[in-house]
Amino acid sequence: GENVEQHPSTLSVQEGDSAVIKCTYSDSASNYFPWYKQELGKGPQLIIDIRSNVGEKKDQRIAVTLNKTAKHFSLHITETQPEDSAVYFCAAMGTGRRALTFGSGTRLQVQP
Amino acid sequence: EAGVAQSPRYKIIEKRQSVAFWCNPISGHATLYWYQQILGQGPKLLIQFQNNGVVDDSQLPKDRFSAERLKGVDSTLKIQPAKLEDSAVYLCASSRGSGATGELFFGEGSRLTVL
Repeated sequence: GENVEQHPSTLSVQEGDSAVIKCTYSDSASNYFPWYKQELGKGPQLIIDIRSNVGEKKDQRIAVTLNKTAKHFSLHITETQPEDSAVYFCAAMGTGRRALTFGSGTRLQVQP
Repeated sequence: EAGVAQSPRYKIIEKRQSVAFWCNPISGHATLYWYQQILGQGPKLLIQFQNNGVVDDSQLPKDRFSAERLKGVDSTLKIQPAKLEDSAVYLCASSRGSGATGELFFGEGSRLTVL
């Protein structure tokens, strides 16, 4: 089945700096890669996603890039703000299954 | 639009006891998921329903866990008997379609502590 690895596990940045979180996946046939943000005591919430026919997608301060050859995808957050502090999860949809496999999460702390 | 509702939010039990969690998905969502999230880890799929049929329960420990989705709406996840390693947050999620490449809407979760 699909296996998703995520790095780093923790990330601390100064307000206004950029943050990058990276994930790799194992199933070369995977075709859907969402990113979820989880705040304390809440369920994960989708922030951006990308499909395998696209290399990059942007939504305001958030962007995701996908390298299918290398089987990795990344989340980029620019001009970070304290409210960006949360745990971020990458995920992938592998073949043979219709549910997401999640990475282990990255705790992002934005220092004011 | 109301979100995914889960109850109880917190539950503390002793090992070998039983517990049940309830989930009410967003109205009209065909697919419902139960995920287990152990502290410091990502959510792990336990079971996926489409309407009232099971799509994937390959990672459900069937000797102690059971789940049902009667009438294709609400769902219940039961653990009997509980083990210490079952301590986790149990997240329910729903999606509009079959679940393939669509947004999952999560509830706030039910936190289980097994002593």
